[in-house]
Amino acid sequence: DIQMTQSPSSLSASVGDRVTIACRASQSISNYLNWYQQRPGKAPKLLIYAASLLESGVPSRFSGSGSGTDFTLTISSLQPEDFAAYYCQQTYTTPLFGQGTKLEIK
Amino acid sequence: EVQLVESGGGLVQPGGSLRLSCAASGFTVSNNYMSWVRQAPGKGLEWVSLIYSDGITYSADSVRGRFTISRDNSKNTLYLHMNSLRAEDTAVYYCARDRNGVYGSDYWGQGTLVTVSS
Repeated sequence: DIQMTQSPSSLSASVGDRVTIACRASQSISNYLNWYQQRPGKAPKLLIYAASLLESGVPSRFSGSGSGTDFTLTISSLQPEDFAAYYCQQTYTTPLFGQGTKLEIK
Repeated sequence: EVQLVESGGGLVQPGGSLRLSCAASGFTVSNNYMSWVRQAPGKGLEWVSLIYSDGITYSADSVRGRFTISRDNSKNTLYLHMNSLRAEDTAVYYCARDRNGVYGSDYWGQGTLVTVSS
């Protein structure tokens, strides 16, 4: 079975910072990797699909990269509304989420 | 406008059953891949089950044999039938529309809470 490992599990940053979240698959998943944002008490929101494609309506400060086993989500300049949890998800096989990264205000 | 509205959650005793519903509007459920995803209190997201447009279904190991995903095309509604419920099934359950099965879930419901406790 494929395992997904996200790092870090939590991250403290300030408004305006550039942050990167990593996601590693235990075997190659090509580019079948999606990223979600989840604010407290809300449903997840799709940010990036197919590893690097920006979902419609998502700000361009969000970007994704990678293929095979290593992927990253980058937020170029943190805004107050970006402090939330982030999850990667592989869809190469039946869907599987990473364990999540909680992004907090420093 | 695409909308998903879950219902059917509540308190149930261990070993009991529950059926969750997800009423869709703005698109046709039977033409899309649909999923259920859950989130235990304070925990991360866990994929539960999915149904393809051709009716093929898959479920996570943790619920296989106990949970069944289905749909009613006439009502444009997705269901999750849950049997033999355990305390560890306590979670908020979300339904979601999967775009082509691999390009992410682009629409989500608001979630419905299932609590399994005596």
